[in-house]
Amino acid sequence: DQQVKQNSPSLSVQEGRISILNCDYTNSMFDYFLWYKKYPAEGPTFLISISSIKDKNEDGRFTVFLNKSAKHLSLHIVPSQPGDSAVYFCAASIGGKLIFGQGTELSVKP
Amino acid sequence: NAGVTQTPKFQVLKTGQSMTLQCAQDMNHEYMSWYRQDPGMGLRLIHYSVGAGITDQGEVPNGYNVSRSTTEDFPLRLLSAAPSQTSVYFCASRPSGDSLYGYTFGSGTRLTVV
Repeated sequence: DQQVKQNSPSLSVQEGRISILNCDYTNSMFDYFLWYKKYPAEGPTFLISISSIKDKNEDGRFTVFLNKSAKHLSLHIVPSQPGDSAVYFCAASIGGKLIFGQGTELSVKP
Repeated sequence: NAGVTQTPKFQVLKTGQSMTLQCAQDMNHEYMSWYRQDPGMGLRLIHYSVGAGITDQGEVPNGYNVSRSTTEDFPLRLLSAAPSQTSVYFCASRPSGDSLYGYTFGSGTRLTVV
């Protein structure tokens, strides 16, 4: 039973445009939601997070939106850059556990 | 400050062999976790620990054992390796308290079971 789902395996956008990555979850008890970025042959690196009591968090080009009623979160990257090309994982926290989605591979074309 | 260190980086095992994947962190983090990454499956939690002497199962614990005798180390043991355990394994750690800053990950161990 997948508690955190990323339904788009891949996304391709033009440099300078907006990238929107989506994530759905099923457990209303998750207290934090996080986005990680992963390059090949490296471990995931933390990108941005949001508490379940917030609906938006912004850090530079990255903004995460949380819609609790829909159990949905999204990551917006504006403007997208070629260096943003990577696999992005959303994750949800409960207790000491961090549960990940399947990942979305973002490709930003020059 | 080395962060999270995983050894070995690569390993090939024969079916039925046992081995231990090592994980050490030097950040005095209370929480540690093990994940495996498989194509199309994302990162799946194997076992996690919220402090020395405390461990619990994650999403896919079968075939793996863990122990946490010190804050720094969290080894993952494969009791009898199977081809289905071919994967990339990541160890991660974070401080106790809220999850706002997430886990710090190691660079991974690529395991092949033949």
